[in-house]
Amino acid sequence: DIQMTQSPSSLSAAVGDRVTITCQASQDISDFLNWYQQKPGKDPKLLIYDAANLETGVPSRFSGSGSGTHFTFTISSLEPEDFATYYCQQYGDLSSFGGGTKVEIK
Amino acid sequence: EVQLVLSGAEVKKPGDIVKISCKVSGYTFTDHYIHWVKQAPGKGLEWMGLVDPDDAQTLYAENFQGRVTITADTSTDTAYMEFSSLRSEDTAVYYCATGRGSRGIFDYWARGTLVTVSS
Repeated sequence: DIQMTQSPSSLSAAVGDRVTITCQASQDISDFLNWYQQKPGKDPKLLIYDAANLETGVPSRFSGSGSGTHFTFTISSLEPEDFATYYCQQYGDLSSFGGGTKVEIK
Repeated sequence: EVQLVLSGAEVKKPGDIVKISCKVSGYTFTDHYIHWVKQAPGKGLEWMGLVDPDDAQTLYAENFQGRVTITADTSTDTAYMEFSSLRSEDTAVYYCATGRGSRGIFDYWARGTLVTVSS
């Protein structure tokens, strides 16, 4: 199975900050990489699919980039509702998730 | 409106079997794979496997191969995940999810169901 290494595992940030999360795949997955947001007690929500495509209805402050084995997820200006845990997920070979990044209020 | 609805919470003993159902509506059941995802308390998401309702083909993550069986019933638009030889570390919220055809993009999720394994 492909291993997804996500970093950092947690971060503290203030409203208005720029936040960047990275995900490294153990082998080439092309652009078969998605990003999800999960709030406590809720199911995950798709934000970015195929590395860089913004899901319909998701604010443009969220973005993604990368291909192959290295991927980046960015929130350009953190809003209060963005405090949550974020996961990358590959589907280049079966599927697997990164360990998650908890974004907390500074 | 696409909806996925899981069966209710379960409490099981070590060594038991649990079978969870995922009832879908709002789209043609055979058009999209159904995936199963585990989330242990306070932990991250873990992909378990999938079923293609169109031909009943399944694929499993290595960690679950041999203990998990995923099936689909096209007569009731319901997918199932059966988990055998339960252990305490199988205590988790389980989700089913679906998305875009045969692709692993999960844009619809069920509200998870908790399985507790305790003696």
